[in-house]
Amino acid sequence: GAVVSQHPSWVICKSGTSVKIECRSLDFQATTMFWYRQFPKQSLMLMATSNEGSKATYEQGVEKDKFLINHASLTLSTLTVTSAHPEDSSFYICSASDGLALTDTQYFGPGTRLTVL
Amino acid sequence: AQKITQTQPGMFVQEKEAVTLDCTYDTSDPSYGLFWYKQPSSGEMIFLIYQGSYDQQNATEGRYSLNFQKARKSANLVISASQLGDSAMYFCAMREGTGAGKSTFGDGTTLTVKP
Repeated sequence: GAVVSQHPSWVICKSGTSVKIECRSLDFQATTMFWYRQFPKQSLMLMATSNEGSKATYEQGVEKDKFLINHASLTLSTLTVTSAHPEDSSFYICSASDGLALTDTQYFGPGTRLTVL
Repeated sequence: AQKITQTQPGMFVQEKEAVTLDCTYDTSDPSYGLFWYKQPSSGEMIFLIYQGSYDQQNATEGRYSLNFQKARKSANLVISASQLGDSAMYFCAMREGTGAGKSTFGDGTTLTVKP
């Protein structure tokens, strides 16, 4: 089946630094990628929708200047957490799809655990 | 109003027994899809089963079946013959036809299978 990878799988950084998380579709072209955030034992909250070659669409309440998303190619989207603070510590998950129909499968990456000290 | 509601924060089931995880949804879009995912402690999201709003029959995938009651807006997941490896968090999710592929997730249910 289709595979989506994320790198790194975990990262620890100091407060004030920026962290980049990559999401790659390994064997299909992903026209759309989604970025989610999940706090421990809570639901996945959609942060933004990333479309190749265009600006990301952010959900209400998500700071676009803090969470920079770039979808440079049909197989790669990146999420950069700028000037990270401890409250940004979370599990970040991307998903990728080659279509937006209801029956098009969305493939989830394994997630990236971010800890900001 | 919450679009996906999972009212069971935690559930216990004896190994080899069946268990039902509840999910209700709210949408005015006539076209939508309902999904169930399993998330073990490793964090990966594993797709289990899909039910489309126009599907006439309840979806089944191996030991997983979806009890779809459209009029009641419920899409409960039934796991038959529970196994220890079924212990995980389970999420119900919905995609609406007009939602541009976005998924809305419920709060999840933590299932523990007892030996």
